Amino acid sequence: DTEVTQTPKHLVMGMTNKKSLKCEQHMGHRAMYWYKQKAKKPPELMFVYSYEKLSINESVPSRFSPECPNSSLLNLHLHALQPEDSALYLCASSQYGRESYEQYFGPGTRLTVT
Amino acid sequence: AQKVTQAQTEISVVEKEDVTLDCVYETRDTTYYLFWYKQPPSGELVFLIRRNSFDEQNEISGRYSWNFQKSTSSFNFTITASQVVDSAVYFCALRVNDKIIFGKGTRLHILP
Repeated sequence: DTEVTQTPKHLVMGMTNKKSLKCEQHMGHRAMYWYKQKAKKPPELMFVYSYEKLSINESVPSRFSPECPNSSLLNLHLHALQPEDSALYLCASSQYGRESYEQYFGPGTRLTVT
Repeated sequence: AQKVTQAQTEISVVEKEDVTLDCVYETRDTTYYLFWYKQPPSGELVFLIRRNSFDEQNEISGRYSWNFQKSTSSFNFTITASQVVDSAVYFCALRVNDKIIFGKGTRLHILP
């Protein structure tokens, strides 16, 4: 099973709302990632978790708050977002080790901030 | 600094034609990994292939083939006998340590 699931598929939120994006994988992967993708652009890395610990934060604004409750789950908490944060948010997972393994992506959450 | 260049922004070919997507990368590291991903209109990135810097062997998988040449820092992707279902955005990516850098992508249109 090479599936990464993400909920919700679509999300519309106001600038004062608080919402969360969820990601789940059951492949036993110990690395999980959040990416942001604007239209007609490549994905941009936001956060990397390795063994449930945050290992990379690509200078993401604090209105985005990641959380990794266990090895299968990854959340992205959203608060006081701006309209320019509207994008496709992709979650991915991979094996972790000396080798650089391919990442498996979820279908994404399409976020609109009004 | 690491960089991935996909010079072809958009390509259109008629079904059954062969098409090659170019990818040129830059890195000073001797250990690195290269990937190709497909992103259909549904949005999900689909992993196609991984190559490490020590393995220059070319690979064929069905209608897909990849040509990795360290001498020219290129990792090109060819689709033979293209089909409408191949229409998507294709990303080449470079991974060094924990960071992966994507090229800007090539949007491929296969016309019936």
